[in-house]
Amino acid sequence: AQTVTQSQPEMSVQEAETVTLSCTYDTSESNYYLFWYKQPPSRQMILVIRQEAYKQQNATENRFSVNFQKAAKSFSLKISDSQLGDTAMYFCAFMWGAQKLVFGQGTRLTINP
Amino acid sequence: EAQVTQNPRYLITVTGKKLTVTCSQNMNHEYMSWYRQDPGLGLRQIYYSMNVEVTDKGDVPEGYKVSRKEKRNFPLILESPSPNQTSLYFCASSLSGTGTQYFGPGTRLLVL
Repeated sequence: AQTVTQSQPEMSVQEAETVTLSCTYDTSESNYYLFWYKQPPSRQMILVIRQEAYKQQNATENRFSVNFQKAAKSFSLKISDSQLGDTAMYFCAFMWGAQKLVFGQGTRLTINP
Repeated sequence: EAQVTQNPRYLITVTGKKLTVTCSQNMNHEYMSWYRQDPGLGLRQIYYSMNVEVTDKGDVPEGYKVSRKEKRNFPLILESPSPNQTSLYFCASSLSGTGTQYFGPGTRLLVL
């Protein structure tokens, strides 16, 4: 069975700092996809970034980037120049097959002014 | 505007009273899914659908039913709700099997 673990239930940083959220997963699948979703207080699930396992290059989206270590089954999210609007719950997710998706427990991130 | 809509957004009901949460997408997506979110557990997949009349169980299907009679709609049915089904429910859709899922706004359900 596929599992996703986020070992940091809560994190807190100052505005403009860089923060890294951890995610590890366990799978025997060779083809899969990894995601980070953001859930602000509005509860809306917002895609932050997506990584295809067959791509060695780490995905980036503006201030958001990932460190994908396939052999270690690690998929961390780095947020640079953090902003107050980054305050949210962040979920790591693993997808395999056709739309089989497993989420981690989430990390609550607070950006302080 | 491309979106996934869910109704109702909030619902309070009593044990055993059948209810349906509707989900609709206007993006012509093939795949649709239902999730529940509970504190400390993240989101867990209930059911998913690959196309009209094609559905399959996710990780926590017990107590739920779904149907996909039209491509755009994917209702979630609780035939006899129980308090342990109190949760935040999300519908999502995706263009393809490997596509990114786009989520609806969520439905908060309280079963008394």
